[in-house]
Amino acid sequence: NAGVTQTPKFQVLKTGQSMTLQCAQDMNHNSMYWYRQDPGMGLRLIYYSASEGTTDKGEVPNGYNVSRLNKREFSLRLESAAPSQTSVYFCASSEPWGTLTDTQYFGPGTRLTVL
Amino acid sequence: SQQGEEDPQALSIQEGENATMNCSYKTSINNLQWYRQNSGRGLVHLILIRSNEREKHSGRLRVTLDTSKKSSSLLITASRAADTASYFCATRWSGGSTLGRLYFGRGTQLTVWP
Repeated sequence: NAGVTQTPKFQVLKTGQSMTLQCAQDMNHNSMYWYRQDPGMGLRLIYYSASEGTTDKGEVPNGYNVSRLNKREFSLRLESAAPSQTSVYFCASSEPWGTLTDTQYFGPGTRLTVL
Repeated sequence: SQQGEEDPQALSIQEGENATMNCSYKTSINNLQWYRQNSGRGLVHLILIRSNEREKHSGRLRVTLDTSKKSSSLLITASRAADTASYFCATRWSGGSTLGRLYFGRGTQLTVWP
């Protein structure tokens, strides 16, 4: 039982390049999330998917797109990377809000640097 | 900001001492959660307290919630060096269009010296 896995662990991009961050969970959770963590800023929600087939914007969606490929996988795409997107990205999953256990389980993170 | 705010930003104590961290928030909540993050790792859930609960325990952790003051505290008793980490509170709103979201604070960095 791997929990939430993310690939890659590290990535360096040049401004304008694109890339996709991959996330998968094996806990059969319905809801999945993408956050970014910047120094002194805590975690900010980029996008989330309440269930398979649905996605919604979070606090900081500009410059990102997401795909909920199936119940297990939720990917985050940067179409044209900018230095302001240098951050650590975390994927998380949970049971839907309102269930008895709506805590979130986090992956290990992807450290992205945009030059 | 809808985020919870932790206080203090940094806390340094000796092994065996108790560590207390506080969280304040602005809106009505359904629940409040505490997470721990070791350096370079993802967040790990510690404890959840619902709006109708006042206190909860889990091992060496004690969480209190005062909804009238919109604040919560996390107490770690008999701290160990392994407790060194950042601690975040996260709030889930009780309504509005933000269904499914948790709002995280900026965290308290706890250092426990051997």
